[in-house]
Amino acid sequence: LAKTTQPISMDSYEGQEVNITCSHNNIATNDYITWYQQFPSQGPRFIIQGYKTKVTNEVASLFIPADRKSSTLSLPRVSLSDTAVYYCLVGDLDQTGANNLFFGTGTRLTVIP
Amino acid sequence: GAVVSQHPSRVICKSGTSVKIECRSLDFQATTMFWYRQFPKQSLMLMATSNEGSKATYEQGVEKDKFLINHASLTLSTLTVTSAHPEDSSFYICSAWALENTIYFGEGSWLTVV
Repeated sequence: LAKTTQPISMDSYEGQEVNITCSHNNIATNDYITWYQQFPSQGPRFIIQGYKTKVTNEVASLFIPADRKSSTLSLPRVSLSDTAVYYCLVGDLDQTGANNLFFGTGTRLTVIP
Repeated sequence: GAVVSQHPSRVICKSGTSVKIECRSLDFQATTMFWYRQFPKQSLMLMATSNEGSKATYEQGVEKDKFLINHASLTLSTLTVTSAHPEDSSFYICSAWALENTIYFGEGSWLTVV
């Protein structure tokens, strides 16, 4: 079971880059790493997904070292609207269904004006 | 990204009655859907995995006779909370597996049992 560990909370000022790291020491070979953003009373929203090295899209970057035992979500120049809970999800879907699709505690990011 | 829709977004029911929540994948077919439960300021807790055309797989501690899951088509899964009690009040979220190990979530459904 690829249990994930994240900081419970982080604060950042507007305009700064924020890096949130997730530890997943027991990640399996077939596991992908996916990050989600959740606002209160809403379902999690997909941010980015990766398997190894670096992935970048229009909203974030995801850095994954060679051993894949951790990953870092990087949010460039955060704004107040980025205040949310961020979850990393590590898991694999094979033909028999979901494996290890359990959420950790998430990181509550608060962006300060 | 792919769209997953839940309905209703909010529902209030009387204790002892049953309530159904629908989860639809709008622009893709999902052979596998998942149901989560979330209490305020807590993380999501996986309740069950729903596979189209077969019985759902429930996580330990989740009563399958109380939380009935039906995945009758490739775009629809339903969660029925039977004989609801106030302690069943919670935020229920579904998700669906799209492509390449990507899972998309619905908007969530607030259930209040009075």
